[in-house]
Amino acid sequence: QVQLVQSGAEVKKPGSSVKVSCKASGGTFSTYAITWVRQAPGQGLEWMGGIIPVFGAVDYAQKFQGRVTITADKSTSTAYMELSSLGSADTAVYYCARGEIYSGYEYYFDYWGQGTLVTVSS
Amino acid sequence: SYELTQPPSVSVSPGQTASLTCSGDKLGDKYACWYQQKPGQSPVLVIYQDNRRPSGIPDRFSGSNSGNTATLTISGTQAMDEADYYCQAWDSDTVVFGGGTNLTVL
Repeated sequence: QVQLVQSGAEVKKPGSSVKVSCKASGGTFSTYAITWVRQAPGQGLEWMGGIIPVFGAVDYAQKFQGRVTITADKSTSTAYMELSSLGSADTAVYYCARGEIYSGYEYYFDYWGQGTLVTVSS
Repeated sequence: SYELTQPPSVSVSPGQTASLTCSGDKLGDKYACWYQQKPGQSPVLVIYQDNRRPSGIPDRFSGSNSGNTATLTISGTQAMDEADYYCQAWDSDTVVFGGGTNLTVL
């Protein structure tokens, strides 16, 4: 059974950084993608970027370029998302999701983590 | 940048058919996915590659995609189907989500 377990809630100061982890179990980690999606309170889903460990390929949404870093540790089947220069608009639930690759670098998100609430407040 | 447009809300009576649309330029040339999200829960994949259903998803959920519109159809809608539904596609190596549709069953 595939499971994605994320790290716990965080409260951060404006201007700081946050790093969220996502540990996968029940599948072959490196042959899938791991993607990060966030959801601000009362808002829709927003893609941040993803990584395909077997290819070493990382893609970021243009909006977050230069501010987000997504990495993966194949030895522990854990992916990480670090977001810097936090502002109040970054207060959101951050989800990781496993990507089932169907074509090139495209994939659909078949399993999701439980979400990590990041609150940015002074 | 590419955009996917969904109606903010749709209402349906129990047992009836709900049709949720997702519009984008030449969307039919891409694969569309649909995710269901209930309050306080993580999204769940209900349709992928236009019309494929993951294991465990009831067969009352079906999908189609042609021209500029992808459609998620829920036949015999049940109270438990009340949720937000998001369409998603890829464009130029970027994931795009629609704004979501709140489905009310009443």
